[in-house]
Amino acid sequence: GAVVSQHPSRVICKSGTSVKIECRSLDFQATTMFWYRQFPKKSLMLMATSNEGSKATYEQGVEKDKFLINHASLTLSTLTVTSAHPEDSSFYICSARGTGSYEQYFGPGTRLTVT
Amino acid sequence: AQKVTQAQTEISVVEKEDVTLDCVYETRDTTYYLFWYKQPPSGELVFLIRRNSFDEQNEISGRYSWNFQKSTSSFNFTITASQVVDSAVYFCALSVSLRAGNNRKLIWGLGTSLAVNP
Repeated sequence: GAVVSQHPSRVICKSGTSVKIECRSLDFQATTMFWYRQFPKKSLMLMATSNEGSKATYEQGVEKDKFLINHASLTLSTLTVTSAHPEDSSFYICSARGTGSYEQYFGPGTRLTVT
Repeated sequence: AQKVTQAQTEISVVEKEDVTLDCVYETRDTTYYLFWYKQPPSGELVFLIRRNSFDEQNEISGRYSWNFQKSTSSFNFTITASQVVDSAVYFCALSVSLRAGNNRKLIWGLGTSLAVNP
């Protein structure tokens, strides 16, 4: 149980375009979802926390207008990178947590390359 | 401050050696949770263990063991008889409460890259 999927696993897009990454909890209801970014050989950096039906809470230094997060249902959260630039290229990982749980279940990650 | 320190950036061992990965944490919370995750080259995070702050019992799972010492704020991870498949980046993380609401967030260490050579 507690499986989280991400789609796509890899995406290449051109500068200036927007790309959407989906995060789904497959067998549980995720009241809270987290989006992380990881640069090569670096640790995970929390970008934002979202509770279902509420606006996401962004970490300091993360542009909310650039990284749009929507958590419209208990099983789906999306991260949209708007007007992507090469410096947005990174590994994006989502995680999900159910009601009353302390565990975060991680998705397999999405590797974004902006050319 | 709330932080996790993994002082070892990279470790290289030969197969069958034992290896210990260090993790030291700081938190103002009295209730907190500690985690270890493995990240192989594929990138997917693999959950290894969760320990809450009230349970100082050490844990053993096969070749893996964990030593939680509140007195030194450490949660070290030992791999016995290492194997090539253990090569990965290992992250220690601390779950702390947020000031507002019931949310918690994970504070991550920088990770230790372990290379097990044949």
